[in-house]
Amino acid sequence: DTAVSQTPKYLVTQMGNDKSIKCEQNLGHDTMYWYKQDSKKFLKIMFSYNNKELIINETVPNRFSPKSPDKAHLNLHINSLELGDSAVYFCASSQALGDGYTFGSGTRLTVV
Amino acid sequence: AQRVTQPEKLLSVFKGAPVELKCNYSYSGSPELFWYVQYSRQRLQLLLRHISRESIKGFTADLNKGETSFHLKKPFAQEEDSAMYYCALMGKGAQKLVFGQGTRLTINP
Repeated sequence: DTAVSQTPKYLVTQMGNDKSIKCEQNLGHDTMYWYKQDSKKFLKIMFSYNNKELIINETVPNRFSPKSPDKAHLNLHINSLELGDSAVYFCASSQALGDGYTFGSGTRLTVV
Repeated sequence: AQRVTQPEKLLSVFKGAPVELKCNYSYSGSPELFWYVQYSRQRLQLLLRHISRESIKGFTADLNKGETSFHLKKPFAQEEDSAMYYCALMGKGAQKLVFGQGTRLTINP
C-alpha cells in the first residue's frame, strides 16, 4: 500500500495549458506539502496544509493554486503553464511539526 | 533565516572507502536536522534525524552546534549507497523543512 501517492507520474503539456496534479496519503497525517525540485535538483517548499487549512504559501506565482478537500488529499492546480514550470513536483506529508516527511514519488512536469 | 548548505554537488569515492557528506546550516536557535536520500528513480526517503541518534545503513550524523554542521558519515562505502543525499533543517516551531542543494554520491567499484 503506497503511503503517499501522486498522479500522474509524468505530464507533458503545452505552454498556456491548465493542469492538475493529485496527491493522496493514507497515513492519517495532519500536514501535507508541495515541493518543487528544479533542474539542478534543488528542493523548495511551495505550500503546506494542516487539516485542510493553508499554513505555508511561499513566494509562488498565483497561477499555482493548491486545494485540500480533506486532510488526506492535497491537489495542485496550475494555470497558464510556462516553460519555467517544468520541474519535478513532490507531495509529502507529516504527522506533526518536527516530524520527518513521507514523500510521494514525484510528478515530472514538462512544458513544451 | 534558515539556510542549509551542502558544499559538494558531486562526491565520488571507491567502494570500501570512508564517506563524508558535508552539511552546514544557518539558524539562530536549536534546529531539527535530517538527512534524506533519493536513490535512482525512487522517492525521497528519510535516512536519519539527529534527535534519534540512530545508525541507518551504516550511516551516522552528529550535530555540531559549535560548527553548525551535521555531516553524514559512513566508514565503508558500498555500491548501493550511490544516490542523491539531501540535508534538511526544521527550525523550532517552524512548519517546513528547508533543504540543502543536495550531493550526488557515486560509489565506484
